[in-house]
Amino acid sequence: GAGVSQTPSNKVTEKGKYVELRCDPISGHTALYWYRQSLGQGPEFLIYFQGTGAADDSGLPNDRFFAVRPEGSVSTLKIQRTERGDSAVYLCASSGWGTSGNPRNEQFFGPGTRLTVL
Amino acid sequence: AQSVTQLDSHVSVSEGTPVLLRCNYSSSYSPSLFWYVQHPNKGLQLLLKYTSAATLVKGINGFEAEFKKSETSFHLTKPSAHMSDAAEYFCVVSQNTGTASKLTFGTGTRLQVTL
Repeated sequence: GAGVSQTPSNKVTEKGKYVELRCDPISGHTALYWYRQSLGQGPEFLIYFQGTGAADDSGLPNDRFFAVRPEGSVSTLKIQRTERGDSAVYLCASSGWGTSGNPRNEQFFGPGTRLTVL
Repeated sequence: AQSVTQLDSHVSVSEGTPVLLRCNYSSSYSPSLFWYVQHPNKGLQLLLKYTSAATLVKGINGFEAEFKKSETSFHLTKPSAHMSDAAEYFCVVSQNTGTASKLTFGTGTRLQVTL
């Protein structure tokens, strides 16, 4: 596609429920990132994929959060037993490889999924 | 460790006057620095980036930023503000560590443009 897409754009759920957020990166981009943006804050890094594997998941806040990218394209962020504190905008970004063999650090962002936990 | 500090949470300017959004960074390595803009209900858009080439970086929509290593600053400027510039601006630092390229965002500066 032309840009990074995320679905749904809005998700309202009840405390304790399970949610899945989807990200479709720019075609051909091998790196995919998830960030979380709480109200009035800048985005915070959650997890980064290079291909199918999670290269860095140091930003995931706890084991209720999990993400997958089984075919190296679309990614799903999964949140179990949601809590009110999980309410935020979840952003996905993608980037390609540079000639040095490292990921390009210019990331292209999707519009985000606004998660509200009641 | 890397971090950025945006010195102003809100900046208000009149249309047609200069814009200055301030950012200081901290990085253990030679950093890559970015400014992103976020309009209401829109995704983050890259304005410009510094990656150790020219210290004065030109971006889209007339914005510029100057990398000053001695001051650890990367301030964003524009000679003349337009109403359409009203948005949230984020200063961002990145480090490639071989396998990851995490972005670390500042807390943002909300730019208000008045008539």
